Order: sequence, then C-alpha cells, then structure tokens
Amino acid sequence: AQSVTQLGSHVSVSEGALVLLRCNYSSSVPPYLFWYVQYPNQGLQLLLKYTSAATLVKGINGFEAEFKKSETSFHLTKPSAHMSDAAEYFCAVSDAGGTSYGKLTFGQGTILTVHP
Amino acid sequence: DAGVTQSPTHLIKTRGQQVTLRCSPKSGHDTVSWYQQALGQGPQFIFQYYEEEERQRGNFPDRFSGHQFPNYSSELNVNALLLGDSALYLCASHRVGSYNEQFFGPGTRLTVL
Repeated sequence: AQSVTQLGSHVSVSEGALVLLRCNYSSSVPPYLFWYVQYPNQGLQLLLKYTSAATLVKGINGFEAEFKKSETSFHLTKPSAHMSDAAEYFCAVSDAGGTSYGKLTFGQGTILTVHP
Repeated sequence: DAGVTQSPTHLIKTRGQQVTLRCSPKSGHDTVSWYQQALGQGPQFIFQYYEEEERQRGNFPDRFSGHQFPNYSSELNVNALLLGDSALYLCASHRVGSYNEQFFGPGTRLTVL
C-alpha cells in the first residue's frame, strides 16, 4: 500500500519569499512522484514528476522538487513566490511499474496563500 | 490538441437517484481513471479502465460503476445516490508506458440534495 503525507494544510508566504511545501511518501516499491496544482473550481494541473531519473526535478512556473529516498520525501520549492501561485497543491505517488497501472494516491493537499 | 474533457460541469440530484458522468481522454491516451474529491480533501481513486475493462478499483461500493468505449471515452455511473456522494468527480487519462503521467479534466461537480 502507498500513502502520502503533506505536512501543513495551510502555508502562507509573502510575495517574493521562498515557497516550501512538504511531502513525505510511503511505498513498498520504487515510486513515481508527482506534484499537482488546483485552482478554485478547476481540475488538477501537473507541475512536475519524478520518474527515477534525476533526483532534482524542475517543473513549470519555476517550481522544483527533490527526491530524497533516505528521507522518503519529495518537497516542492520555489525561490520567489508570485501572487498567481496562490492555489492548492497536491503531492501524489504511484508505483513505478508493478500492478498499480498508474493509480495515484494523493495527499490531503496544502493551500498556499501569498500576501502582497 | 484538446485535453481531457468532462460533461456536465455541474449536476444536482436528489437522494436515491442515478447519475452518469462522461469523460473524453486526451488524444493518444488509452487509459482512463476516475477520482472523487470531497470538499477539502485530496482526490480518491475510484477505478481505472483500459481496453474497455475495469483494470483496478479503489475502495468504493458497487453503486459506482463505469464503462469504457472503443474510442477510449468513459462513463461513471452512480446508483442510489447518497448525500455523501456530493463531490467533484475528476477524470484523468494517460497512455500506458508514459510513467503514469495523468492529465486531469476540469471535473464534474455533483450535488446530492
């Protein structure tokens, strides 16, 4: 079984400040890891993914995440927050192969607020 | 290139009724998954269809059923609606072998009164 824990249901930062959203996962097999963003009343948009290549993954809109196997973490960062980054962010895990067929297991989400 | 599309966008039903939600996958994708997202929660996996068959199922009752058509589009059916079925229903598609990178539609907001 797989699970994802996102530490902090709400994160608030000032515009221009560092954004750090935390994600820890549990998986008995090598994982694929994803970060999605959801704006109000919309679906999910993929920000970035880890698929066992480089451990530092760069995504859209200046976001990046680092896969740390020893810490079972996949934290999302952005050096300088913009007002447009305000949204809800979800971390998700799936099996790298195996029998999951791509089933995604999501965390509970972190709402990011950006103050001017 | 159209992404994943879903219809309808909003739906209001009463308890005990039945509902059908529809999804068209992104061009080139052959696998469709359905997720339920309750208010304030992360999406929960309902089931996945590939080659017109249900390939995997999450922890949802048999009231939830689905179908995939030869053109890869899919339907989600929910019978005997309960108040607790009120949620955003998300459809996602991907292509087998694509690192499970799923593309999501905008969702259908279902309200059960």
